[in-house]
Amino acid sequence: NAGVTQTPKFRVLKTGQSMTLLCAQDMNHEYMYWYRQDPGMGLRLIHYSVGEGTTAKGEVPDGYNVSRLKKQNFLLGLESAAPSQTSVYFCASSYSPQDSIKETQYFGPGTRLLVL
Amino acid sequence: AQSVTQPDIHITVSEGASLELRCNYSYGATPYLFWYVQSPGQGLQLLLKYFSGDTLVQGIKGFEAEFKRSQSSFNLRKPSVHWSDAAEYFCAGPKRYGGSQGNLIFGKGTKLSVKP
Repeated sequence: NAGVTQTPKFRVLKTGQSMTLLCAQDMNHEYMYWYRQDPGMGLRLIHYSVGEGTTAKGEVPDGYNVSRLKKQNFLLGLESAAPSQTSVYFCASSYSPQDSIKETQYFGPGTRLLVL
Repeated sequence: AQSVTQPDIHITVSEGASLELRCNYSYGATPYLFWYVQSPGQGLQLLLKYFSGDTLVQGIKGFEAEFKRSQSSFNLRKPSVHWSDAAEYFCAGPKRYGGSQGNLIFGKGTKLSVKP
């Protein structure tokens, strides 16, 4: 099992450019999450999904969109990147029917994004 | 209000010394609680979790944590620290919007440095 994978690992964008971050999980998890991590701010939830075809806003959703067309994939989009979106982005997943605790999240390795 | 607090931002210990990282929680009922570790440049890895039963929980890499209801604490311990334990450690608990959607509240993290 690869667990949770993220592509790309690193990206540089210019202000106004768009991009999509891909998260994939092979654990048959129902729930998936996108976080950003910034120095001194800890982990902040951007968007999450509790099943294929569903999405919901987290703490800091502005400037981002997400889609969950397939159960194993969760895409994070930046339509018009801004320098404030320079961050490390983590994807996580949780909860398969065998799990008793829905909150046991497994994380990907992260994507470092620099917006100039 | 639901919260998870890590009082120590940065701790330095000597290699071979014992370690205790503090975590305090505020929940109406006994929560599930988690400890994650993040090595430099990596994603978060689950160390251990508490959900019920024995209040002393064993995790990976020789870590353990003790749930103390009377002190609202879930401190992480290791009897002898190795240089490879230098990392940032996060305590987490569930964030419930009525029912569970798998969301977590993370503490701000404690950075552990290990002196040779």
